[in-house]
Amino acid sequence: AQSVTQPDIHITVSEGASLELRCNYSYGATPYLFWYVQSPGQGLQLLLKYFSGDTLVQGIKGFEAEFKRSQSSFNLRKPSVHWSDAAEYFCAVSDYKLSFGAGTTVTVRA
Amino acid sequence: EADIYQTPRYLVIGTGKKITLECSQTMGHDKMYWYQQDPGMELHLIHYSYGVNSTEKGDLSSESTVSRIRTEHFPLTLESARPSHTSQYLCASSDPGTSGSSSYNEQFFGPGTRLTVL
Repeated sequence: AQSVTQPDIHITVSEGASLELRCNYSYGATPYLFWYVQSPGQGLQLLLKYFSGDTLVQGIKGFEAEFKRSQSSFNLRKPSVHWSDAAEYFCAVSDYKLSFGAGTTVTVRA
Repeated sequence: EADIYQTPRYLVIGTGKKITLECSQTMGHDKMYWYQQDPGMELHLIHYSYGVNSTEKGDLSSESTVSRIRTEHFPLTLESARPSHTSQYLCASSDPGTSGSSSYNEQFFGPGTRLTVL
């Protein structure tokens, strides 16, 4: 069965600093992988996705993610965070349905 | 503009009441989903539908029911609300695409309904 692990429950980062959120997946075949962001009281917005090809994927809002098959990872990165990046981030893997990780809450300090 | 809508956004209701959470999408997607999310927690799939007259239970057992009479509409009903039903409910839809396509299982989410049962 497919599953996703996000090891970090909460990350605090200074505005302007870099951010990396970890995601590990378990899936038997080539996965479809997604990162979503959820602002308080809102639904989920797709940041980026990977399904094949280039393992470095560019998304919206300056985010990127790298698929590493050997490590079963799909970590999300942003070189310089903005206060508006404070939110909850979910990694997901897809077969016939999406399976979500537990999420990582990002706090941005001034 | 193609989008996915949920109403109400917030609902506070007493125990024993019947409630229906509305979800509509104008994207022409065949597949629709309902997720339950407690604060700070992951999303749990409670219902999904492949198309009109198709409904399936998800991974998390739920006392709610759904119907899919029209492609664009996927309401969720609780016949008798209880405090344990207090949660956020998120609706999503997807164009199934085909395995191997970039759109495969990419889901679009509504803003959610935050339900509180007193």
